[in-house]
Amino acid sequence: EADIYQTPRYLVIGTGKKITLECSQTMGHDKMYWYQQDPGMELHLIHYSYGVNSTEKGDLSSESTVSRIRTEHFPLTLESARPSHTSQYLCASSELEGAWTGELFFGEGSRLTVL
Amino acid sequence: AQSVTQLGSHVSVSEGALVLLRCNYSSSVPPYLFWYVQYPNQGLQLLLKYTSAATLVKGINGFEAEFKKSETSFHLTKPSAHMSDAAEYFCAVRGAQKLVFGQGTRLTINP
Repeated sequence: EADIYQTPRYLVIGTGKKITLECSQTMGHDKMYWYQQDPGMELHLIHYSYGVNSTEKGDLSSESTVSRIRTEHFPLTLESARPSHTSQYLCASSELEGAWTGELFFGEGSRLTVL
Repeated sequence: AQSVTQLGSHVSVSEGALVLLRCNYSSSVPPYLFWYVQYPNQGLQLLLKYTSAATLVKGINGFEAEFKKSETSFHLTKPSAHMSDAAEYFCAVRGAQKLVFGQGTRLTINP
């Protein structure tokens, strides 16, 4: 059973609202990721982090921002949500690069709908 | 750069029939390959992984995959489908600092 948690699981909000999607893991993993998933599409990496105070943008350009103040916590924020942000957001974590086989541990996802 | 291509966005089989989900990869280095499964309203869960050891890899729930370098393939199979296998399946290859995923294949099981 994965020890990585996302909240909220579902969120419906109006345009222009600020939202934060929470992600926490209890495995002590240094690397954390945010993927965006749309129906019938591959997962797109939007942010990742190597550890505390490290954040990098992924392959898919995103208006969201992330922070990594604590090892276990990697929240994603949208300052002003728009309908184009409607998607599922998946958080994941993995071990250190040196020991990394590539295996990711995923949370259950946060499904965001912006009206 | 590493990439994977999943052949068929939707596969439908009868309960008890063979499941075959196809994945081809492209990699400039010996690849690490993965199959993940996503059940409805859930995150992704690792089914199995190939990390340059045995070419036939066994995973959870009776699934297995065979790495074939000559065909650059890593197809996922299960001898007998069960209703509980209905899900989205993603093939992935380890890239630099990240996993690169395919588009996914939705598996439907007919009773």
